[in-house]
Amino acid sequence: SYVLTQPPSVSVAPGQTARITCGGNNIGSKSVHWYQQKPGQAPVLVVYDDSDRPSGIPERFSGSNSGNTATLTISRVEAGDEADYYCQVWDSSSDHPDVVFGGGTKLTVL
Amino acid sequence: EVQLVESGGGVVQPGGSLRLSCAASGFTFDDYAMHWVRQAPGKGLEWVSLISGDGGSTYYADSVKGRFTISRDNSKNSLYLQMNSLRTEDTALYYCAKVAGYDAFDIWGQGTMVTVSS
Repeated sequence: SYVLTQPPSVSVAPGQTARITCGGNNIGSKSVHWYQQKPGQAPVLVVYDDSDRPSGIPERFSGSNSGNTATLTISRVEAGDEADYYCQVWDSSSDHPDVVFGGGTKLTVL
Repeated sequence: EVQLVESGGGVVQPGGSLRLSCAASGFTFDDYAMHWVRQAPGKGLEWVSLISGDGGSTYYADSVKGRFTISRDNSKNSLYLQMNSLRTEDTALYYCAKVAGYDAFDIWGQGTMVTVSS
């Protein structure tokens, strides 16, 4: 089955740029979605199809995807961005569709 | 307002059964595939199951295949998950989620907690 690898944690100072990676075999050929989850809350979609933002998501959130790595970039990080972030893809390599999540990255704002 | 509200969680002994429900509102329910995603305490997200908009196609994670059954009643705008032969490792917060046209989960419920313990 397809595996997505994320760093367990990323730390960044307020106002700086946070980059959260998501590694997978030839992930550049897939569409990657990113979710933000704050403690005690349901996940929220922040980036879809590698780099598009749903309405209401700040432009500070952006994404890219190439080769074996997809990246969520959060510019001008704020205290309110502190959360767990998950990448997600669909894997159709088996006889049925499969939804795969990365293990999650905890973003700490110093 | 687009909304998903789960219910039916609780405490059950290993080997027991539970049926989760998810009530949808604010969108044309049968236009969209629906999913169940779970999260064990302190752990990450794990996809559980998918059902197509018309209910004709269903898929399961290997970890629940043969034990869980997803279904929907489009006349009631409701999604279900019948969970049988429950194991301690099924303990988790269970979310229902709607898939947008671009195949990402754009709407999530607040979750319902399932605890499997003797």
